[in-house]
Amino acid sequence: EAGVAQSPRYKIIEKRQSVAFWCNPISGHATLYWYQQILGQGPKLLIQFQNNGVVDDSQLPKDRFSAERLKGVDSTLKIQPAKLEDSAVYLCASSFDRGGNQPQHFGDGTRLSIL
Amino acid sequence: AQSVAQPEDQVNVAEGNPLTVKCTYSVSGNPYLFWYVQYPNRGLQFLLKYITGDNLVKGSYGFEAEFNKSQTSFHLKKPSALVSDSALYFCASYGNNRLAFGKGNQVVVIP
Repeated sequence: EAGVAQSPRYKIIEKRQSVAFWCNPISGHATLYWYQQILGQGPKLLIQFQNNGVVDDSQLPKDRFSAERLKGVDSTLKIQPAKLEDSAVYLCASSFDRGGNQPQHFGDGTRLSIL
Repeated sequence: AQSVAQPEDQVNVAEGNPLTVKCTYSVSGNPYLFWYVQYPNRGLQFLLKYITGDNLVKGSYGFEAEFNKSQTSFHLKKPSALVSDSALYFCASYGNNRLAFGKGNQVVVIP
C-alpha cells in the first residue's frame, strides 16, 4: 500500500511571503490531519478533516493559516504571510476513520525554513 | 485535559542491552495510548497502541509496552536493542478527538 505523500520536501522562503504544502493520503482513508512539528517538540495538530469537512481547527492560526480538502482526498495547507516562528516541519497524516483506536499514518513532511 | 510526559531527553543504551523509554499519562477516563518512532528526516511510524485488554502490548520491530494504571505509565521496552533502533520516540494519548504527543525521547544505541 502506498503511504502518505507530501510535497515539497523542503521549502525556504522569506518572512511575509506565502507558501503552500500538498498532501495525498492513503487511498480509502477518510480522516486527514495536518501537524506542525517544531524542532525539539512533538507534533501539534493544526487541523483535522473527515472526508471534505473540517472536524477540528481549534489550534490553527486562522489569521495566516488555511487548509482545504475539497474533494475529500488531497489536501493543501497554506501560510500567508509567513512569520519566523512558522519555521517547522509540517506533517500530514491519515487514518481509515476517526476514533482513538485508529493509528495515524504519517508522510515524511515538508521542512519549512523562514529567512 | 489529556497529556503525556516523557521525562528523559535522551536514552543511551549499549547494543544488545534492554531498552526502556518512559512515558506517564494524565488522562480522564480510559486512556488510549500510542507509541510512534521517527527516523531522521522521516515522518512518524506507528509502533503500538493500548486501547483495552492485556496490559502488555506487543508491536512492530520487537517493541512492547506495559500499561500500568496504578503508576499511570506506559513505558516502551525492547529486550535487546539494535543500532538501527536509534531514533526519536514519541508517546501519545488520544482524547478530545485528537492525539497529544509528548516531547519525544532521543534513543542512542551504542555499538
